Amino acid sequence: LAKTTQPISMDSYEGQEVNITCSHNNIATNDYITWYQQFPSQGPRFIIQGYKTKVTNEVASLFIPADRKSSTLSLPRVSLSDTAVYYCLATRGGGNKLTFGTGTQLKVEL
Amino acid sequence: DAMVIQNPRYQVTQFGKPVTLSCSQTLNHNVMYWYQQKSSQAPKLLFHYYDKDFNNEADTPDNFQSRRPNTSFCFLDIRSPGLGDAAMYLCATRTSTGLNTEAFFGQGTRLTVV
Repeated sequence: LAKTTQPISMDSYEGQEVNITCSHNNIATNDYITWYQQFPSQGPRFIIQGYKTKVTNEVASLFIPADRKSSTLSLPRVSLSDTAVYYCLATRGGGNKLTFGTGTQLKVEL
Repeated sequence: DAMVIQNPRYQVTQFGKPVTLSCSQTLNHNVMYWYQQKSSQAPKLLFHYYDKDFNNEADTPDNFQSRRPNTSFCFLDIRSPGLGDAAMYLCATRTSTGLNTEAFFGQGTRLTVV
């Protein structure tokens, strides 16, 4: 599976839009990009997944350009409760393993 | 309702004393994962099952073993815990059907070694 690279940390203020980028230069044709959120002392939670272009759900948007070598998770109007670690993974269907990269610690302040 | 349940939430064990962590699921997913997560680090995959097929990561110590007696349950056995094995252990499940699917994680078991 492709290795992913993200910024280690980001700071934001309540009400702002936050964009977290992820690089995955060696992504394979059948890999999807999946983002998870993790709060302290809890297991990661699925946020969003995409293959190409733009995907939006009630929580976030995911932008993946045509070359698929990077992706951007967009969190609109963040609040304090969005303070968490966000992981970008290259995932594949079937029974394949899920490997986490270093993640991005997002801190939202008032 | 919790779909992936890990018991116990907190486990204290003595150095060198075998310990077993358990995970159960109500999702009927055929893939189950065990991760180790130390403070301020990402979850590290130890092994996973695809149905009954066991897949061990190359760097998982022999001290860590796993059992999956049926679809619903999976166990992590640490044969001789060392101080360095203190961590959060996370169980996750996923279905292999469909193009790509999300994984569901349990709340984790925090292991302390004394």
